[in-house]
Amino acid sequence: DVKVTQSSRYLVKRTGEKVFLECVQDMDHENMFWYRQDPGLGLRLIYFSYDVKMKEKGDIPEGYSVSREKKERFSLILESASTNQTSMYLCASRKQRDLSYEQYFGPGTRLTVT
Amino acid sequence: QKEVEQNSGPLSVPEGAIASLNCTYSDRVSQSFFWYRQYSGKSPELIMSIYSNGDKEDGRFTAQLNKASQYVSLLIRDSQPSDSATYLCAVNQDSWGKLQFGAGTQVVVTP
Repeated sequence: DVKVTQSSRYLVKRTGEKVFLECVQDMDHENMFWYRQDPGLGLRLIYFSYDVKMKEKGDIPEGYSVSREKKERFSLILESASTNQTSMYLCASRKQRDLSYEQYFGPGTRLTVT
Repeated sequence: QKEVEQNSGPLSVPEGAIASLNCTYSDRVSQSFFWYRQYSGKSPELIMSIYSNGDKEDGRFTAQLNKASQYVSLLIRDSQPSDSATYLCAVNQDSWGKLQFGAGTQVVVTP
């Protein structure tokens, strides 16, 4: 079974802190994604990566950056956390050659910025 | 801006009845469509995918796709309390596998 893990289930940070959210997948997937999910807005893509050191902005990249130094790990960075970044953050991965386009999700990190 | 629209609900369904969920999308070139189920506090899990016009059945779930009308639906037959969840419609955006998600429809199955 595909396994996608995220470093924390719950996280509380203060405004202005630098925050790292880590995601690791164990199925040698090329593509990895970071989403945030807010009530009534669904999942919105922040960034995605199609290979090591490769990244592309999604729909809402402002205030975020990412890092992918190894194939299995994709990190989301909040350079200076703000209260409007309080949200559920979901990581997903998929195999590039998988024509079904199915994405496998991690358990999510609920981040609260106070 | 590509859009995926769903009724937010809640859709209240008696146990044993059929739940019908609808989704419309704006991008005519989309080729792959997905239904994810998300329980409260959990991450989405894929329950159905559909790529061709028509119906696709998997157990109690049936997905229906009409590309001409840009419409995809999900039927849940013999609804159970365990089906109470939010159902997310997703549409692929490009060859990298990016998905555009709807906001989700909350389904509540009442005993």
